[in-house]
Amino acid sequence: QVQLKETGPDLVQLTQTLSITCTVSGFSLTTYNVHWVRQPPGKGLEWMGAMWNGGGTDYNSAFKSRLSISRDTSKSQVFLKMNSLQTDDTAKYFCAFPGPYFDYWGQGVMVTVSS
Amino acid sequence: DTVLTQSPALAVSPGERVTISCRASESVSTLMHWYQQKPGQQPTLLIYLASNLESGVPARFSGSGSGTDFTLTIDPVEADDTATYYCQQSWNDPPTFGSGTKLEIK
Repeated sequence: QVQLKETGPDLVQLTQTLSITCTVSGFSLTTYNVHWVRQPPGKGLEWMGAMWNGGGTDYNSAFKSRLSISRDTSKSQVFLKMNSLQTDDTAKYFCAFPGPYFDYWGQGVMVTVSS
Repeated sequence: DTVLTQSPALAVSPGERVTISCRASESVSTLMHWYQQKPGQQPTLLIYLASNLESGVPARFSGSGSGTDFTLTIDPVEADDTATYYCQQSWNDPPTFGSGTKLEIK
């Protein structure tokens, strides 16, 4: 059974770095891609980037050089790291797969950036 | 980036037919997908590649369109369909989502 689960902090301080882990089960990271999507409170969805099954990455240029996605295939985990957080980074962060449309989503983790 | 425009809200009565539109700022061929999202939950895929019904999704849901104009139809609408519906394109990079259409069942 396919599952994705995000874990991460509830609260991050302004200008600090956000780290979220997506732990997957039911499929292999070397076979399928995993994407990150975020949703500010009361707003729409925004694609952030992807970890490709071959190990490469792709990023939304809106996040410039702030965003980094990596993985540990032995642990079936994909990592999101984003630095220089601002208050408008307050959002629920989802991992989803496989793309280009997303059949499966995690439940998301709500992150608040606090000053 | 490709901008997807959706009407913000609709209200219909149970049993009626509703169409939710999504207009793209440039052609996305048929690489348009539709999701339903209920409050506090993750989105769920309804339609992929413009007109293909995701497994397990009721046949009341259907999709159509190509190029820049797409439609999600629910017929007949049920009370449980209260949700926000998002379109998403994957033809152009980066993938983008519409701003969502909030459907209220009267």
